[in-house]
Amino acid sequence: DMKVTQMPRYLIKRMGENVLLECGQDMSHETMYWYRQDPGLGLQLIYISYDVDSNSEGDIPKGYRVSRKKREHFSLILDSAKTNQTSVYFCASSPQRGNQAPLFGEGTRLSVL
Amino acid sequence: KTQVEQSPQSLVVRQGENCVLQCNYSVTPDNHLRWFKQDTGKGLVSLTVLVHENDKTSNGRYSATLDKDAKHSTLHITATLLDDTATYICVVGDRGSALGRLHFGAGTQLIVIP
Repeated sequence: DMKVTQMPRYLIKRMGENVLLECGQDMSHETMYWYRQDPGLGLQLIYISYDVDSNSEGDIPKGYRVSRKKREHFSLILDSAKTNQTSVYFCASSPQRGNQAPLFGEGTRLSVL
Repeated sequence: KTQVEQSPQSLVVRQGENCVLQCNYSVTPDNHLRWFKQDTGKGLVSLTVLVHENDKTSNGRYSATLDKDAKHSTLHITATLLDDTATYICVVGDRGSALGRLHFGAGTQLIVIP
């Protein structure tokens, strides 16, 4: 069953706390993405990973870092979260080659108080 | 600068009516354009992809067109159902592989009422 799974689905943190968002996929896709979605804006790319330990910054990487130690798993880390990082975070995956649509997870809704 | 603009921002239609959603973009190069459906609180699900100049696609009650010269796409939904209530997002890819970048519109929120 082709699926991208995000954990947790909802998270509330205090400003300054560390945050770990996890994403898994079972399709052995090489490429994985982290996006954030804010009201009135299109999804914004935070980081892209082309395979294990092959990560590149997206358009808004500041305040975030990522880890990909296994092809099927991609983590987003917020060290010392800020209130402006309150958002819905989406993970997606796609094969490296071809024009297949990325498969999205259901999102993690993060509130930083 | 926003490179993918969608209109209208929101739209309310009665069940059974047809509707048209618009997408204008300035992304270059424009390898392909994809329409996604996002139900409330869920992820994005691909509806259709358009690749070539003057492409037209159909997926059940959803049909889409692409005019690459005008950098414009439309998504038509025929005989709307209550389950069509969702946000529809236009995405332009600048390459035909995962090595390219995807440019997302902010979406059109469609509400279908009985």
